[in-house]
Amino acid sequence: GDSVTQMEGPVTLSEEAFLTINCTYTATGYPSLFWYVQYPGEGLQLLLKATKADDKGSNKGFEATYRKETTSFHLEKGSVQVSDSAVYFCALRDASGTYKYIFGTGTRLKVLA
Amino acid sequence: GAGVSQTPSNKVTEKGKYVELRCDPISGHTALYWYRQSLGQGPEFLIYFQGTGAADDSGLPNDRFFAVRPEGSVSTLKIQRTERGDSAVYLCASSLSSGLSSYNEQFFGPGTRLTVL
Repeated sequence: GDSVTQMEGPVTLSEEAFLTINCTYTATGYPSLFWYVQYPGEGLQLLLKATKADDKGSNKGFEATYRKETTSFHLEKGSVQVSDSAVYFCALRDASGTYKYIFGTGTRLKVLA
Repeated sequence: GAGVSQTPSNKVTEKGKYVELRCDPISGHTALYWYRQSLGQGPEFLIYFQGTGAADDSGLPNDRFFAVRPEGSVSTLKIQRTERGDSAVYLCASSLSSGLSSYNEQFFGPGTRLTVL
């Protein structure tokens, strides 16, 4: 079945450092791909998405490119801030049937001032 | 407009008890999903409604779990004879419809944290 694998955390960075969180997927068909963020004590929020190969999603300085050839959707940000500290989830949307989301296990990011 | 709401936000119960968790989707959204997020894990799919009917309940872990959506709007997730392993955050999401359109993005509620003692 479809699955998502993302790098384990926690990831600890200093403010203004470069961030990469790796995400790879296994799926039949052509799923849509998402990054969600969960700030402490809050619900899941959509960060960015890409619906087809080579699409780049971007938001709040974060970017991810849908790479079909490597089945990847790595999250990057050039300069992280303390306020980016959160748990980040990579997800795919099933391309058929119920269109349910399949999530990775999450990566906790901690940014130090 | 209002987002997806879930009540209660927290529920503590004893092993063996029955619980109901409620989800109010965004008005006009016909598709509704329930997910369960265990500690340190990503959300896992439980059940999907399109309108009033459960179109896919393949994620329900066993027959102690049941969900309804009688009028195609509000949904209730019901758990009988709760066990300690049922402790998790239960998330609800809704979308305009299902399908591949980018308009069918799922919007998540804040979740209900269930603790079974």
